[in-house]
Amino acid sequence: DSGVTQTPKHLITATGQRVTLRCSPRSGDLSVYWYQQSLDQGLQFLIQYYNGEERAKGNILERFSAQQFPDLHSELNLSSLELGDSALYFCASSVRRENTEAFFGQGTRLTVV
Amino acid sequence: AQSVTQLGSHVSVSEGALVLLRCNYSSSVPPYLFWYVQYPNQGLQLLLKYTSAATLVKGINGFEAEFKKSETSFHLTKPSAHMSDAAEYFCAVSFPNSGNTPLVFGKGTRLSVIA
Repeated sequence: DSGVTQTPKHLITATGQRVTLRCSPRSGDLSVYWYQQSLDQGLQFLIQYYNGEERAKGNILERFSAQQFPDLHSELNLSSLELGDSALYFCASSVRRENTEAFFGQGTRLTVV
Repeated sequence: AQSVTQLGSHVSVSEGALVLLRCNYSSSVPPYLFWYVQYPNQGLQLLLKYTSAATLVKGINGFEAEFKKSETSFHLTKPSAHMSDAAEYFCAVSFPNSGNTPLVFGKGTRLSVIA
């Protein structure tokens, strides 16, 4: 158990809908990262938050957004969902801003039908 | 551009044989290097990491990796494969001393272990 908790584990939704994925980092970790894993793209970095502030942005679509709350949990919002958004979404956390080591949650498997 | 390449999307070994998973990185600044393992329907678990100390790094489950700057490589090895080692393995790189960059992952290598 990495100490990173993601909910829900599975999510099935229809195209055009909006969903929210939640992540609770390990106790004491200030950085939260979101990754998307798909068969064709592999593991793609989406976005990082550090202590409530956006720190780095990767290949995140404009339809996607995230935030980190004062209690350090994070949410990833995916809207206007398309079939191609079906993937595993991972949250990871680390203590520092710089990514010297990240601990991953179990992921949320999103299926868009 | 900084990147990591894993040679071989699928490696198959016999139980008890040497495991060698290859990873090469491209970087103009000193990297930190990691190997993660992903079992089916699981998240990624850190196997080992190199953060500019000893070049030979020992990790969990009997795995180790050697950082070779001259070859820009960080290959993962295990002397004797076990059936439980069958999983997907990811090499990753970050550059903490060069601004903030998140982990960049290779495409992964699926390891199969044959009885």
